[in-house]
Amino acid sequence: DQQVKQNSPSLSVQEGRISILNCDYTNSMFDYFLWYKKYPAEGPTFLISISSIKDKNEDGRFTVFLNKSAKHLSLHIVPSQPGDSAVYFCAGATNKLIFGTGTLLAVQP
Amino acid sequence: ETGVTQTPRHLVMGMTNKKSLKCEQHLGHNAMYWYKQSAKKPLELMFVYSLEERVENNSVPSRFSPECPNSSHLFLHLHTLQPEDSALYLCASSRRQGGTEAFFGQGTRLTVV
Repeated sequence: DQQVKQNSPSLSVQEGRISILNCDYTNSMFDYFLWYKKYPAEGPTFLISISSIKDKNEDGRFTVFLNKSAKHLSLHIVPSQPGDSAVYFCAGATNKLIFGTGTLLAVQP
Repeated sequence: ETGVTQTPRHLVMGMTNKKSLKCEQHLGHNAMYWYKQSAKKPLELMFVYSLEERVENNSVPSRFSPECPNSSHLFLHLHTLQPEDSALYLCASSRRQGGTEAFFGQGTRLTVV
């Protein structure tokens, strides 16, 4: 059973526009959620997180929204930059991190 | 540089070989993890160590054997692997076990021939 799902394997966006990456989960015991970014040949790096008691967390160009009733979260990047091109993983956390399959974001100049 | 270093970066091994992957962190973290990343699959948690004790083993075959000699080092010993074990193996650490931010190493790209 895949507890964290990223249904879009890839997304292409123009530079300067908004990128929206989506994530759905089934485990209502997650007490927080994290987004990681991964470049080829590197390990994932932490980007932003949100506690399950909040519905929004913002850090610069990155905002994560959580809709608990829909068991859905999203990462908004605005404005998108070519350097944002990477694979983005969503993860839910209890006593461990459970990751989704990732979404490859391509930001076109 | 995340503070978590993995060696080697690439490894090709035969099915009868024995090799080890090494992970080192100097972040003062108390928890360390091994993950496996295969194509088109989620990052799969293999093992969790907290304060040098193994606290989780996610039904990983015995041909993978972890070792945590101290809080800064984690090994993954490999023997008689199968070609389907070819993947990116990632080590991570966090301040404590659980849902805090984990810092990942760059991974070891393993190919079993």
